[in-house]
Amino acid sequence: RKEVEQDPGPFNVPEGATVAFNCTYSNSASQSFFWYRQDCRKEPKLLMSVYSSGNEDGRFTAQLNRASQYISLLIRDSKLSDSATYLCVVNFGPSGNTGKLIFGQGTTLQVKP
Amino acid sequence: DAGVIQSPRHEVTEMGQEVTLRCKPISGHDYLFWYRQTMMRGLELLIYFNNNVPIDDSGMPEDRFSAKMPNASFSTLKIQPSEPRDSAVYFCASWGGNSPLHFGNGTRLTVT
Repeated sequence: RKEVEQDPGPFNVPEGATVAFNCTYSNSASQSFFWYRQDCRKEPKLLMSVYSSGNEDGRFTAQLNRASQYISLLIRDSKLSDSATYLCVVNFGPSGNTGKLIFGQGTTLQVKP
Repeated sequence: DAGVIQSPRHEVTEMGQEVTLRCKPISGHDYLFWYRQTMMRGLELLIYFNNNVPIDDSGMPEDRFSAKMPNASFSTLKIQPSEPRDSAVYFCASWGGNSPLHFGNGTRLTVT
């Protein structure tokens, strides 16, 4: 089993749609989680951290389910500019909270007019 | 802050040659990571350092790859000898614990 797994997509959605991505991870001791966004031929950039109670940033909502070992990202009212690859990141370091940051393969989102 | 600085941006070399990639992390960040990205395998963690000490190099593909961090402001990733299957984008990233992981622009390596 891969350490961090994502559905690679692509997800093709119309503008205004709501889309959700899931990511599963193998280390039950992991303590910190993130979603990154990567545009074509660019470096990944932090979209948002994922907190235990779930968190929201504008149109984006991130959630964590420790029991099932997955995190999710919900994008509401999707825009053309949301088209990118979304990468989930899980900390596999000692004590689950330091160092070893492992990326999923990424989920590609294409928003159509 | 200039961010994470990588050089070169592009490298084209012939099989068998030595390749050295360079990285300057963000000042004050005590973790440094080297990742490799390909279409097939995504973003793979090769090695990471904490306070200049290598902590986990289990992702380094084979002995042809080596990485060093002689001080807090500089790291290198060396491939010797290079092979066509090493062609990828190599990212360096640094992390300060309470701050997000910051990536450099990457080095696009092509081995012919």
